[in-house]
Amino acid sequence: SAVISQKPSRDICQRGTSLTIQCQVDSQVTMMFWYRQQPGQSLTLIATANQGSEATYESGFVIDKFPISRPNLTFSTLTVSNMSPEDSSIYLCSVDGYTFGSGTRLTVV
Amino acid sequence: AQTVTQSQPEMSVQEAETVTLSCTYDTSESDYYLFWYKQPPSRQMILVIRQEAYKQQNATENRFSVNFQKAAKSFSLKISDSQLGDAAMYFCAYFGLSGNTPLVFGKGTRLSVIA
Repeated sequence: SAVISQKPSRDICQRGTSLTIQCQVDSQVTMMFWYRQQPGQSLTLIATANQGSEATYESGFVIDKFPISRPNLTFSTLTVSNMSPEDSSIYLCSVDGYTFGSGTRLTVV
Repeated sequence: AQTVTQSQPEMSVQEAETVTLSCTYDTSESDYYLFWYKQPPSRQMILVIRQEAYKQQNATENRFSVNFQKAAKSFSLKISDSQLGDAAMYFCAYFGLSGNTPLVFGKGTRLSVIA
């Protein structure tokens, strides 16, 4: 299965700022998925990113808040914009349907 | 839509003993995968075991095995000879093979291992 490098592993950010999370895959994949895991909760899908087209967002998530880029078949970024403490979560990317990056623990203060 | 239910928010087990985590799911698809993931405090989602729905034989990975009951839509995880390092959140997940759809997760079971 694919190997995913996700960066950063953790960050502490000021409210109102933005953070971009990167996922690099060691092979070409059609679709990448971005998940959010709020404290003590299960994973919730944010969006599905296809190369060459706009990401498809799940209910409750919007592009202005979570813009996603997918410039090629091995790379994607998720930006968390205008952050508030409620955005403090673990963010994970996924490929193959079931392979995950190592996750990014975001704390907004 | 598919759903996954984990009815045990928390479980505990004595070191070296055996514990079983429960998972049920609902789907109308015939072809799918089921997974158990372990998530330690490090936050990484670690794939523990995978079961293909078309296989009747239960998957096994060292101390981890599943009891897959397709008709009952049940997929429990058994951990034998529990170790302190097994303490983590465990998530059951469903992956349909009918299209490029994402995983559907249960709410998780927090497993504590008592020395």
